[in-house]
Amino acid sequence: GAGVSQTPSNKVTEKGKYVELRCDPISGHTALYWYRQSLGQGPEFLIYFQGTGAADDSGLPNDRFFAVRPEGSVSTLKIQRTERGDSAVYLCASSLGGPQMGQYFGPGTRLLVL
Amino acid sequence: RKEVEQDPGPFNVPEGATVAFNCTYSNSASQSFFWYRQDCRKEPKLLMSVYSSGNEDGRFTAQLNRASQYISLLIRDSKLSDSATYLCVVSTAGAQKLVFGQGTRLTINP
Repeated sequence: GAGVSQTPSNKVTEKGKYVELRCDPISGHTALYWYRQSLGQGPEFLIYFQGTGAADDSGLPNDRFFAVRPEGSVSTLKIQRTERGDSAVYLCASSLGGPQMGQYFGPGTRLLVL
Repeated sequence: RKEVEQDPGPFNVPEGATVAFNCTYSNSASQSFFWYRQDCRKEPKLLMSVYSSGNEDGRFTAQLNRASQYISLLIRDSKLSDSATYLCVVSTAGAQKLVFGQGTRLTINP
């Protein structure tokens, strides 16, 4: 079946602009996660949704970052007033339940802020 | 100090060799443990979960030492296709997020 999909695959923007990154999880997966991965580092947790609600947003670095999942399926990560330090690969993952069931990652969106 | 620490490598080993990676974690409340594999410019993929008693999946063996807060991965008879970055991952009881190590880069040479 279809895996996790993310769009766009690449995004180049200018400092100060607003960007939206989209994630379409595996059908039926109630849990959705956003991570950010910088070059040479492992992914870092941003936010976790169970259904429509953000159950854990402790990884969001500041209030420029916001994510929604209004219908419990597709999620959008929104970054306001982008900064060069926001450049990274943004990964989305979904799972059926807890982490012991495995999280399935999408291909990521490579964000470059000039 | 990072919550999950790994030697970033790179490890360069000949095809057919046995290679071992280790990682340590600092949070004693960690309850679930995994190894993920990540190919260059691709997403991480679950390689295997790690159980307290140790577990094996083909050429791959994972071990967990809770007392020392230490996880290992052993790859026997390495193949060219094993070249990738191996990420040590933990999760804490009650938390859904995964905490990743920096990753260990492995290259298998012909």
